[in-house]
Amino acid sequence: DTEVTQTPKHLVMGMTNKKSLKCEQHMGHRAMYWYKQKAKKPPELMFVYSYEKLSINESVPSRFSPECPNSSLLNLHLHALQPEDSALYLCASSPGTGSYEQYFGPGTRLTVT
Amino acid sequence: KQEVTQIPAALSVPEGENLVLNCSFTDSAIYNLQWFRQDPGKGLTSLLLIQSSQREQTSGRLNASLDKSSGRSTLYIAASQPGDSATYLCAVTSNDYKLSFGAGTTVTVRA
Repeated sequence: DTEVTQTPKHLVMGMTNKKSLKCEQHMGHRAMYWYKQKAKKPPELMFVYSYEKLSINESVPSRFSPECPNSSLLNLHLHALQPEDSALYLCASSPGTGSYEQYFGPGTRLTVT
Repeated sequence: KQEVTQIPAALSVPEGENLVLNCSFTDSAIYNLQWFRQDPGKGLTSLLLIQSSQREQTSGRLNASLDKSSGRSTLYIAASQPGDSATYLCAVTSNDYKLSFGAGTTVTVRA
């Protein structure tokens, strides 16, 4: 099974809301990633978790808070977002960091009103 | 900082023609290069992974080459079909473990 799942598929939230995005993989991968993709742009790396520890934070605003409760699950907690945060949020996983293939989920389409 | 460039930005071909998509990167110190396909509003599907020690990879109608010293990769798609219409993204994993993407080539295959 080479599948990464993401929920929800779509999310609309107000600027004062708190919501969470969820990502799951059952491939035994030990590295998990969050990317943000704006329309007609390539994905941009946000966070990298390696063995459930945050290893890379690409200077993402604190209104985005990642969490890796176990090796299969990755969450992205959202609070006080801005309309410019509307984007496709993609999760990916790989066996480890470095020379491994990354497998992407279908993404969550986020709209901030 | 790694910069990845893809040329052309868009490509339209009749069905049956071969596709040639180009990717270049500025820092040759990479772990690997991946080619992805993305349909509108969807996630990324990995097509091919080429490790830094490899020169090419093949999967069905797809063939990708890598010239690490010159910072170039080419994706060939043989005998294109309308179902090949999508955006194709090239990405390299650099020594800092980060995956850097090109802006993509949007392909339209006309029936």
